[in-house]
Amino acid sequence: AQSVTQPDIHITVSEGASLELRCNYSYGATPYLFWYVQSPGQGLQLLLKYFSGDTLVQGIKGFEAEFKRSQSSFNLRKPSVHWSDAAEYFCAVGAGSSASKIIFGSGTRLSIRP
Amino acid sequence: NAGVMQNPRHLVRRRGQEARLRCSPMKGHSHVYWYRQLPEEGLKFMVYLQKENIIDESGMPKERFSAEFPKEGPSILRIQQVVRGDSAAYFCASSPKLAGAHEQYFGPGTRLTVT
Repeated sequence: AQSVTQPDIHITVSEGASLELRCNYSYGATPYLFWYVQSPGQGLQLLLKYFSGDTLVQGIKGFEAEFKRSQSSFNLRKPSVHWSDAAEYFCAVGAGSSASKIIFGSGTRLSIRP
Repeated sequence: NAGVMQNPRHLVRRRGQEARLRCSPMKGHSHVYWYRQLPEEGLKFMVYLQKENIIDESGMPKERFSAEFPKEGPSILRIQQVVRGDSAAYFCASSPKLAGAHEQYFGPGTRLTVT
């Protein structure tokens, strides 16, 4: 069965520091992979997505993610975080017919230290 | 072009009452998806509907929960005889015809509290 694992429940980084959020997936075929961000009390915003091609994907707000098939990983990175990046981040994989169903990880809460 | 709209944004129900959550998809979108987010957890797929059809309800609890997407009007997620464990945020997403997960646009969610 498809699944997504985000091993870090909560991460705190200093403003201006680099960030890497980990994500591992389990999926039989080539996956559709996503990263979403959720601010407190808000809905989800899509940061970036991977379907095929270049394994390094650029997203909004300066985020990028790298698909590594050999490691079944899709880690999210940002070279320098801002206080406004504090939020919950969800990795997800598209599953089912036409990848119409999204399976989410349990999320990583990011806090920013001033 | 307005985004996906959900109402109400917050809903409080006593145990045993019914909860009705509404989702209006983006203009031109004919597919709707419902997800539930329990406290401190990620979103879990519940159901996928097209106009007047349920395509995949593999994530729906077997009892008390139902969903519809009529020809006219919003999609409705109905929870009968709510219990405290139903307290969660319920998110709706929509996509254009024949699109997959990569084109799902999420609404702001309805936060249901059962007292």
